[in-house]
Amino acid sequence: DVKVTQSSRYLVKRTGEKVFLECVQDMDHENMFWYRQDPGLGLRLIYFSYDVKMKEKGDIPEGYSVSREKKERFSLILESASTNQTSMYLCATSIRGLEVEQYFGPGTRLTVT
Amino acid sequence: AQTVTQSQPEMSVQEAETVTLSCTYDTSESDYYLFWYKQPPSRQMILVIRQEAYKQQNATENRFSVNFQKAAKSFSLKISDSQLGDAAMYFCAYRRLLMDSNYQLIWGAGTKLIIKP
Repeated sequence: DVKVTQSSRYLVKRTGEKVFLECVQDMDHENMFWYRQDPGLGLRLIYFSYDVKMKEKGDIPEGYSVSREKKERFSLILESASTNQTSMYLCATSIRGLEVEQYFGPGTRLTVT
Repeated sequence: AQTVTQSQPEMSVQEAETVTLSCTYDTSESDYYLFWYKQPPSRQMILVIRQEAYKQQNATENRFSVNFQKAAKSFSLKISDSQLGDAAMYFCAYRRLLMDSNYQLIWGAGTKLIIKP
């Protein structure tokens, strides 16, 4: 079974702090994704990566950056957290291909106060 | 741009009955994939069923089936014999093709399914 883990289930940070969310997968998947999930908006793609050291902007990259130094690890960075970044953050992975499913981590619920 | 619309924020069904969740999408592509994912409370998102647009036959996975109407751009999910474990958020997603054969999923807002015992 594919295992996707995220560093924290719940996180509380203060406005202006630098926040790191980490995602690790154990199945050698090429693709990794970071989503933000908000009620009534579904999932919105922040960034994705198709290979080590590669990154592509999704639909809402503003205020975020990512890092993929190793194939199994994809980090999401909030350079200066703001209250409007309070949300559920989901990491997903997949193998390369057009019909493949994405495998999700348990999510990190981030609250910025 | 492709969009995915789930018009039912919440649905409820009696245990053992059948429920249909609606999804419509907008695209100019001729070949694509559609997915239904399930997110149980406090648990991970998992794939329920997928459909490739060029296949006319509706996909089926045990109690889950889809009604894919390509011309109408409709992709509804039918759950038969509903069980308490089916209670979850259900998301419809469309696969958007990018360069180099990579892709991105476009997601609907989700439908919360409540199962009444």
